[in-house]
Amino acid sequence: QLQLQETGPQLVKPSETLSLTCTVSGDPMRSGEYYWGWTRQFPGRGLEWIGYINPGGSAFYNPSLSTRVTMSADTSRHQFSLRLSAVTAADTSVYFCARHNAGWDLNLIDHWGQGTLVTVSS
Amino acid sequence: QPVLTQSSSASASLGSSVKLTCTLSSKYSGYFITWHQQRPGEAPRFLMKLERTGSYNKGSGVPDRFSGSSSGADRYLIISNLQSEDEADYYCETWDGYNHRDVFGGGTKLTVL
Repeated sequence: QLQLQETGPQLVKPSETLSLTCTVSGDPMRSGEYYWGWTRQFPGRGLEWIGYINPGGSAFYNPSLSTRVTMSADTSRHQFSLRLSAVTAADTSVYFCARHNAGWDLNLIDHWGQGTLVTVSS
Repeated sequence: QPVLTQSSSASASLGSSVKLTCTLSSKYSGYFITWHQQRPGEAPRFLMKLERTGSYNKGSGVPDRFSGSSSGADRYLIISNLQSEDEADYYCETWDGYNHRDVFGGGTKLTVL
């Protein structure tokens, strides 16, 4: 059974870099049929896609965040990661890792992690 | 104009049926979407992929009470025999090809009376 689990600091200072890792169990991550991504949810509900990365290491980011986002994947460790630089209070959110189904014409989400709340505060 | 539009709230009685709507902007009216359920305090859960034809593929373990249909730019999530555990936020998702990004509707909060 596929499981995705986010880990990382829950408190980040303004202007610093937010770093999260998602550990995948139940999927080898090597299949080109799936991409691995991050989405966040602001207080009050709204969901914002951050980006995704394929097993080959090619990443695709939300243009609104692309100057601050870096994603990487280590399939041998069954992990992929998110780095978001120069954070502000507006980046306080619950961050979800997710699997995107690249076997569909549109690479939409078919499985979610449990999510982790990251607060940006000094 | 948003890519995906959802009503902010809906309500229906226990045991009844409800139809939630996700409307695609005209530029994307042929796209398929996915539906996701988010119960209070939980992560979203993938429910189904829903094509413009009305054909749908559900996620593992999604009850038969959940189905989908389509009409033009509208994509529907139908929940029959409503249960208390169906009280949740429901989001639709698709791809914004113009801005090259995955997008979500604003979500519909479903209350089971």
